[in-house]
Amino acid sequence: EAGVVQSPRYKIIEKKQPVAFWCNPISGHNTLYWYLQNLGQGPELLIRYENEEAVDDSQLPKDRFSAERLKGVDSTLKIQPAELGDSAVYLCASSSAGGDNEQFFGPGTRLTVL
Amino acid sequence: GEDVEQSLFLSVREGDSSVINCTYTDSSSTYLYWYKQEPGAGLQLLTYIFSNMDMKQDQRLTVLLNKKDKHLSLRIADTQTGDSAIYFCAETPGSSNTGKLIFGQGTTLQVKP
Repeated sequence: EAGVVQSPRYKIIEKKQPVAFWCNPISGHNTLYWYLQNLGQGPELLIRYENEEAVDDSQLPKDRFSAERLKGVDSTLKIQPAELGDSAVYLCASSSAGGDNEQFFGPGTRLTVL
Repeated sequence: GEDVEQSLFLSVREGDSSVINCTYTDSSSTYLYWYKQEPGAGLQLLTYIFSNMDMKQDQRLTVLLNKKDKHLSLRIADTQTGDSAIYFCAETPGSSNTGKLIFGQGTTLQVKP
């Protein structure tokens, strides 16, 4: 079974440019998460989807960040415009319905903003 | 508030036991987790414990939970060089499982041959 797939793995852009990250969750997982991981820190939740509905986006900086999961499967996370402080690893995770909430993580996209 | 704290670094010799500690603030956490992250990789769930348990053992891993002190520990027996990684403690805050995970800042485990 394929795991959570993310692309690109690495992205280098100049500040003020837009950038997008893509995530394909594990087949059958209806819950999808985007996390931000700064260097030396644990992941922090940006947004959580149940199917195509964003049920928790309280930590998403909505002035420059947006996300979508149109058909309840793949998801994209966009930053426009990017700032120097956005340099980090962006992790996607997915889980199925169930009590233990085991979240399966993708390898992440490492973003460098110059 | 919700907060999870871990020590930043642990160094052990191969074959020794490693104990990684974590404290959390939300007494109503339902599940507590241990994740492992190797360089350039995502997080891998190692084990988890339900809040009504004191201990869980899974092969070389032993998780101890002290709810009174809000303290969680992960013991790795017979630590191997392949165990070198960053270990994250995480909790699901609140009395219901909302899916949100709060992570600590991670403990880097260095295993010397």
